[in-house]
Amino acid sequence: DVVMTQTPDSLAVSLGERATINCKSSQSLLYSFNNKNYLAWYQQRPGQPPKLLIYWASTRESGVPDRFSGSGSETDFTLTISSLQAEDVAVYYCQQYSDIPYTFGQGTKLEIK
Amino acid sequence: EGQLVESGGGVVQPGGSLRLSCAASGFGFSTSYMHWVRQAPGKGPAWIARISGDGSVRGYADSVKGRFTISRDNVKNTLYLQMNSLGVDDTAMYYCARDRVSGTYGPWGQGTLVTVSS
Repeated sequence: DVVMTQTPDSLAVSLGERATINCKSSQSLLYSFNNKNYLAWYQQRPGQPPKLLIYWASTRESGVPDRFSGSGSETDFTLTISSLQAEDVAVYYCQQYSDIPYTFGQGTKLEIK
Repeated sequence: EGQLVESGGGVVQPGGSLRLSCAASGFGFSTSYMHWVRQAPGKGPAWIARISGDGSVRGYADSVKGRFTISRDNVKNTLYLQMNSLGVDDTAMYYCARDRVSGTYGPWGQGTLVTVSS
């Protein structure tokens, strides 16, 4: 199985500041035939199901604020929140959908400093 | 985007069975791949099963293969998960989710809690 490792496990950021979460996969998620990285990011607020934020490593889902952005390729990826808002407090997960079983990272808990 | 509502969870003894349901509305259910994803307490999500729109293609995680069966009724717009030989490690919130893009999930239902305990 593809192992997804996120860093850090938890993060505290001041309102309005930048938050950065990293995700590393145990194998490349880049497919040469379409030049796409099979990597997604989800947000899970307390008591809620996960919500898809980004897919293809950098494509924002409809309705997701543009302060959320994804970058990276092959095995190293980053989720950036450019200006943290109170409603961004959540656990964030990366997920690979390159190989079955599709696997998630262990999660990064984002809090307000 | 659509809506998904799970039901059927509860407390069951080890070795027991449960059948989960997921009622779908607001999108083309019969043409959508659907998934079951579970989340153990304090853990990240884990994909467990998927099924194609017409039901002809199914896939399972090794952890549930041979014990769980995914199915669907496209007339009733409902997804199912039959769970047999349940063990304590199957305790989790179970979510159904639509395949959004090639193996990503969105939307998700609110989940149904399965607790396996004696």
